[in-house]
Amino acid sequence: NAGVTQTPKFQVLKTGQSMTLQCAQDMNHEYMSWYRQDPGMGLRLIHYSVGAGITDQGEVPNGYNVSRSTTEDFPLRLLSAAPSQTSVYFCASSYSRASGLSYEQYFGPGTRLTVT
Amino acid sequence: TQLLEQSPQFLSIQEGENLTVYCNSSSVFSSLQWYRQEPGEGPVLLVTVVTGGEVKKLKRLTFQFGDARKDSSLHITAAQPGDTGLYLCAGASSGTYKYIFGTGTRLKVLA
Repeated sequence: NAGVTQTPKFQVLKTGQSMTLQCAQDMNHEYMSWYRQDPGMGLRLIHYSVGAGITDQGEVPNGYNVSRSTTEDFPLRLLSAAPSQTSVYFCASSYSRASGLSYEQYFGPGTRLTVT
Repeated sequence: TQLLEQSPQFLSIQEGENLTVYCNSSSVFSSLQWYRQEPGEGPVLLVTVVTGGEVKKLKRLTFQFGDARKDSSLHITAAQPGDTGLYLCAGASSGTYKYIFGTGTRLKVLA
């Protein structure tokens, strides 16, 4: 199993550009989420999904869109990049609590994004 | 808004010393997790606690969930350089899939 994979690893954008951060998992996990990590602020939840076709907002959703057309993939779209979106982005997945299985979150290696 | 505050923010100790990291909130959580993160990598789960007063041990690491399920602690005995990293706590409320992360404690263990 590859676990949770994220692409790209690094990205530089100009203000106003759009892009999609890719996230995929091969563990058949129902739950997937996107976090951003900034110095001194831990991880903050952007969006999450409890299954294909179901998404919801986290703490800091503004400026980001998500969709979940398959169980495996959960892309994060930046609509119009701003310097405030400079951060490290992590994707995570887990079984749902309803499954009765461990809901340990498995994290990808992260995407380091700089917006100039 | 739920908040999880961790203390201390930074900790630099000598190999062999003991330490305790705290994770506090005014909110009640149905479960609380501790993660360790190395530079350039994603967090890796260490433990999940779900019952008030629960104590779990992982080799030299001891985790405790507060009786009221609002706080937790991580105690490391005889720290080793391999324990160096960023320690994060994360809590989830009952009936929600949203995990709230603490601000993190950056630990450095010197040989």
